[in-house]
Amino acid sequence: AAGVIQSPRHLIKEKRETATLKCYPIPRHDTVYWYQQGPGQDPQFLISFYEKMQSDKGSIPDRFSAQQFSDYHSELNMSSLELGDSALYFCASSFGGNTIYFGEGSWLTVV
Amino acid sequence: DAKTTQPNSMESNEEEPVHLPCNHSTISGTDYIHWYRQLPSQGPEYVIHGLTSNVNNRMASLAIAEDRKSSTLILHRATLRDAAVYYCILRDVQAGTALIFGKGTTLSVSS
Repeated sequence: AAGVIQSPRHLIKEKRETATLKCYPIPRHDTVYWYQQGPGQDPQFLISFYEKMQSDKGSIPDRFSAQQFSDYHSELNMSSLELGDSALYFCASSFGGNTIYFGEGSWLTVV
Repeated sequence: DAKTTQPNSMESNEEEPVHLPCNHSTISGTDYIHWYRQLPSQGPEYVIHGLTSNVNNRMASLAIAEDRKSSTLILHRATLRDAAVYYCILRDVQAGTALIFGKGTTLSVSS
């Protein structure tokens, strides 16, 4: 079965640069979630979108923004990158309030 | 968000059943009890969820107390592949409502 697809899988950026992560939800899923997981930490919820509208907001820094497009894919934009932004970023999707399924994650390293 | 409490770690032997407890004394009537697990460097994986009645699927069973203030995830026969961090999470099923991860239980399985 098709899963949540994230790209790129690995990304290396320098401080103060910008990074964009992409997420392609499971077909027919209309809700996308973004999470950040630092080394040794539990996943932290950043933001979610339902039918292309922001539906829930967690601890997303002001330097980060996200959106969901008409084809339901989503992008997480991160600007003015800091060393502390180095983490594994997960995207997840669901159909409405049904079960949430996670992608394999995108590794971001800021140097 | 209603909070859950889990033991930091548990140990099991292969082929033995494992009972992972979770306390959620402030659960609301619309909160479903979800269990996810995460292997190192992988995305969280859905295990099972329930509202009031006990639930079974191919991965595990979920036993929910009558007052819903606690639940237990049951792995009937642990394998080495079950070694992971297990998260018990309460989630309202409104569209777009995210999973909020707390501190899960690290399960170790010995051969």
